[in-house]
Amino acid sequence: QLVQSATEVKKPGSSVKVSCKASGGDFSNYAINWVRQAPGEGLEWMGGIIPVFGTVMYAQKFQGRVAITADESTSTAYMELNSLKSGDTAIYFCTRAPYMASPYRHWGQGTLVTVSS
Amino acid sequence: EIVLTQSPGTLSLSPGERATLYCRASQSITRNYLAWYQHKPGQAPRLLIDEASSRATGVPDRFSGGGSGTDFTFTISRLEPEDFAVYYCQQYDETPPTFGQGTRLDIK
Repeated sequence: QLVQSATEVKKPGSSVKVSCKASGGDFSNYAINWVRQAPGEGLEWMGGIIPVFGTVMYAQKFQGRVAITADESTSTAYMELNSLKSGDTAIYFCTRAPYMASPYRHWGQGTLVTVSS
Repeated sequence: EIVLTQSPGTLSLSPGERATLYCRASQSITRNYLAWYQHKPGQAPRLLIDEASSRATGVPDRFSGGGSGTDFTFTISRLEPEDFAVYYCQQYDETPPTFGQGTRLDIK
């Protein structure tokens, strides 16, 4: 099970950090990926992390603006997005899978992030 | 990265009818690592099909997938009221994994 943090409302230019706590299974040996859906848009992979290797990958679109981390002691992954713009208003989902490029069977409930002045 | 193009953008059908959705890739998905998801408002996406044609656990057999290379299909043989949603294809043959833009399946 993946449980995400609550709704956030942020100002343009600020940052947001969304958490994803995993229960059941082996947290460290699976990839945690972040996928977002902006209003009226489709699903978009942002990046992922494999905690046991410390391997992190980001979609080119978000390079330099996103940081994905994991705390193995609490089985929690984080996605921090900086320099927020109105276009970052979206529902952010975490998923757990064997690899970053995998079918995603397990999803968090989603976290709505609204960027508004 | 592999770009996936889904068609049609919107499909309006009635319960009981057959729905066929398409997903075309910008390059060959060599291992048929293509998945289909159902997404309803306020919910997380649900995996229905992986490896192009394998139903995920618990998915009814009215859902099926097919195709290979660059052209893939997703079929709902007989629409139930709960099937009206947005459907996405996703390739996981290469990193980054990518999604199509979605097909909205509306009740006619």
